[in-house]
Amino acid sequence: GNSVTQMEGPVTLSEEAFLTINCTYTATGYPSLFWYVQYPGEGLQLLLKATKADDKGSNKGFEATYRKETTSFHLEKGSVQVSDSAVYFCALISGSARQLTFGSGTQLTVLP
Amino acid sequence: DAGVIQSPRHEVTEMGQEVTLRCKPISGHNSLFWYRQTMMRGLELLIYFNNNVPIDDSGMPEDRFSAKMPNASFSTLKIQPSEPRDSAVYFCASRQGEDQPQHFGDGTRLSIL
Repeated sequence: GNSVTQMEGPVTLSEEAFLTINCTYTATGYPSLFWYVQYPGEGLQLLLKATKADDKGSNKGFEATYRKETTSFHLEKGSVQVSDSAVYFCALISGSARQLTFGSGTQLTVLP
Repeated sequence: DAGVIQSPRHEVTEMGQEVTLRCKPISGHNSLFWYRQTMMRGLELLIYFNNNVPIDDSGMPEDRFSAKMPNASFSTLKIQPSEPRDSAVYFCASRQGEDQPQHFGDGTRLSIL
């Protein structure tokens, strides 16, 4: 079956620090990969996606590259801001079910 | 684009009462999903509909939970009777096609006393 493993949080960084949140996956077939972000009191929002190997998704300064050889989709940002404080979810769609499989989420707190 | 609209945003009720959560998906989206989020279990898919038809309800925890989608613009999730362990944030999401991303509502925070 499909599964997503994220680095456990919480992660606390100072403003302008470099961010990496690791994500690895197990999937049947060729999955599409996603990062979602959940701000306090809100629903999940799509942050970026990649649909095939070596694709790089990017948005709002965040990037993630679909690495088939390592089955990974790590999220990175060069300089985080306080406003990036949120929970980040890695997710995939694969197989006939076409449902999202989510990781457990990583809480990020950025301090001024 | 109004987004996925859920109501109510907050619900507090006593155990044993019936609870109905409502969702209006984005117009033109043909799939709708209900999720439950708790600290202990994270984000769980309860049920999803495709073209108003329930496709997979294996995540529905018990017979106390039921979901309907009478038309393309409305869905309900009902809990009867409610129990304190049902307390969670319930999210509705919709998407336009199988390979399209899901769009989430802001959720209903449910507290069962």
